[in-house]
Amino acid sequence: DTGVSQNPRHKITKRGQNVTFRCDPISEHNRLYWYRQTLGQGPEFLTYFQNEAQLEKSRLLSDRFSAERPKGSFSTLEIQRTEQGDSAMYLCASSSSGREDTQYFGPGTRLTVL
Amino acid sequence: QQQVKQSPQSLIVQKGGISIINCAYENTAFDYFPWYQQFPGKGPALLIAIRPDVSEKKEGRFTISFNKSAKQFSLHIMDSQPGDSATYFCAAPRDDKIIFGKGTRLHILP
Repeated sequence: DTGVSQNPRHKITKRGQNVTFRCDPISEHNRLYWYRQTLGQGPEFLTYFQNEAQLEKSRLLSDRFSAERPKGSFSTLEIQRTEQGDSAMYLCASSSSGREDTQYFGPGTRLTVL
Repeated sequence: QQQVKQSPQSLIVQKGGISIINCAYENTAFDYFPWYQQFPGKGPALLIAIRPDVSEKKEGRFTISFNKSAKQFSLHIMDSQPGDSATYFCAAPRDDKIIFGKGTRLHILP
């Protein structure tokens, strides 16, 4: 197993453009999480999936953000009409079911909005 | 509202010294306290975790001390090494997600 992977690792875009990130979790994990991390801060929860069902969304996830996990495997996070405030590291994590099961994080996608 | 308060923001320790990072929480419903370690360009990785029914947990050079009455827990890194230089986050699970502190940037002087 190669762990959680995320693509792309870096994305630079102009304000107003749409961007999409991909996360491939550890294969046997049925939970997948998205977090956002800005400089000097800890990761902040955005949303999570149990298999293909999106179970919770943070208030941080505005209408411009949408996440999918269509077949319960990989997930995508799309940001429409990007704003400079969207610049951050977007982290994906996966875990087995269970509140205290370890969440394994990917390396993140660093988004820069010009 | 910050539910997990971490200090200090940054810490410099001599090689071989003890690094101590503190965390305070407000929500008494928290019942599991992990510490994460993050290197530049990497995602956070679970380092060590403790449940509040024990006061201390040790794994190698890393020890968590837990004070339930004070609602505080701390990470001690004994014999700190340059390879320990990283950002450390205390955290607590709430529902099915993790609430992270703001992090402590640790630098170990060679």
